[in-house]
Amino acid sequence: QLQLQESGPGLVKPSETLSLTCTVSGGSISSCSYYWGWIRQPPGKGLEWIGSVSCDGTTYSNPSLKSRVTISVDTSKNQFSLKLISVTAADTAVYYCTRLPDSTSGGYWGHGTLVTVSS
Amino acid sequence: DIQMTQSPSTLSASVGDRVTITCRASQSINNWLAWYQQKPGKAPNLLIYKASSLESGVPSRFSGSGSGTEFTLIISSLQPDDFATYFCQQYNNYYSFGQGTKLEIK
Repeated sequence: QLQLQESGPGLVKPSETLSLTCTVSGGSISSCSYYWGWIRQPPGKGLEWIGSVSCDGTTYSNPSLKSRVTISVDTSKNQFSLKLISVTAADTAVYYCTRLPDSTSGGYWGHGTLVTVSS
Repeated sequence: DIQMTQSPSTLSASVGDRVTITCRASQSINNWLAWYQQKPGKAPNLLIYKASSLESGVPSRFSGSGSGTEFTLIISSLQPDDFATYFCQQYNNYYSFGQGTKLEIK
């Protein structure tokens, strides 16, 4: 059964870089069958797609965040990662890693990790 | 950007009730829509993909329909385990989400 697990600091200082990693088990990123992505939900607000990456490193990002986002993949570790630079309090959210839905299947999500931006 | 409008935001119902949740897209998304169930502190759980395809292992009381801009999730007979939050996700053009429907016990 596919499982995704987010890891990384739960507290980041303003203006610094938020870094998260997603470890995938029960499936292989290198099968190149899907896009993998990051989604976040600020407290009390809706869900927002941050960006996506494929097995070959091709990425797509939400235009509203594109200048601050880097998403990368490490197929040897079956992981993909998110870096968000110059964070502010508005970046405080639960961050989810996901296998994104496509023409043949729906999406699968990790449990999410709360990242708080505060000094 | 494709905006997804989900209604209602809160729904009170009883065990055994039939409930309907609606998602409307700001432009056609064909049938590229998924529905998820989420319980507090847990990962969202896929129920329906491609608007009407039931995910393996999901009870048949859940069904989805629609295409274009209007979609519905129906739970035919509510069970105690179904009280949760439900949200839709379009994946026709990148990804965007409904605001969620919290299904509460009446």
